[in-house]
Amino acid sequence: DVVMTQSPLSLPVTLGQPASISCSSSQSLVHSDGNIYLNWFQQRPGQSPRRLITKISNRDSGVPDRFSGSGSGTDFTLKISRVEAEDVGVYYCMQGTHWPLTFGGGTKVEIK
Amino acid sequence: EVQLVESGGGLVQPGRSLRLSCTTSGFRFGDYSMSWVRQAPGKGLEWVAFIEPYGGTTEYAASVKGRFTISRDDSKSIAYLQMNSLKMEDTGLYYCSRGRQLLPWGQGTLVTVSS
Repeated sequence: DVVMTQSPLSLPVTLGQPASISCSSSQSLVHSDGNIYLNWFQQRPGQSPRRLITKISNRDSGVPDRFSGSGSGTDFTLKISRVEAEDVGVYYCMQGTHWPLTFGGGTKVEIK
Repeated sequence: EVQLVESGGGLVQPGRSLRLSCTTSGFRFGDYSMSWVRQAPGKGLEWVAFIEPYGGTTEYAASVKGRFTISRDDSKSIAYLQMNSLKMEDTGLYYCSRGRQLLPWGQGTLVTVSS
C-alpha cells in the first residue's frame, strides 16, 4: 500500500499569516493515464470532509484562492497564503492513483 | 446541486450485519463511480470501498474485504454498503462520496458495533 505521510501533526497559526502542510508518498503517484492523483481535503470541526484540491494543484469550485497546492515526485505541499478563522480544522492529503486509496494522518490547523 | 445522503447506520452487535444506503441527486448517477470512506471516533479517514459505473469493477480495503459488499441501483440513484460479520473496529462514521477522487461527500451515518 502507498503510505502517505503528513507533517506537521499540529499547526498553530496566527490569523493573517501563511501556513504550509507537507505530504509525502512512499511511491510515485503517476497513474497509467499520466495524471498524478494527489488530493487535499479539509475537515472543519463537526463537518464532513470537503475536497479542496485535486491533481496536485487544481482548486475545486468555490475554494478560496488563498489555498494552493504544489509538488512533484513524491513530495507535495498545501499552502494557505493568509489563514482565516474559517480555515480551522484537519487537513488530509490522499492519493487516488493506486489501490487501495490512502490518506495521510491529518494535520490539525488551529489559531494561536 | 449534487447531494449525497447516507442512511442505515445504528447500533449493532459484533458478528451481525447492517446495510448502508447513499441516496443521491443532482447528477447522472449511472455515469459515476462511487466510494465509501469511514472515520473511527477521533481518528483519521480510511477508504473502504469503490464501485465503477455500469456494474463494473469493485475495490475494497483489506480490512473489509470478504465482509463488506458495495453495490448500486442505478434506477434509484443509490449506492449501498452491505456490512457483514461486523467487528468493534468497524465502529465509525461512514461517508459516501462520488468518484474515485471523492467529490463531494455526504454528511455520514454512524455505525456503532458493540455488545
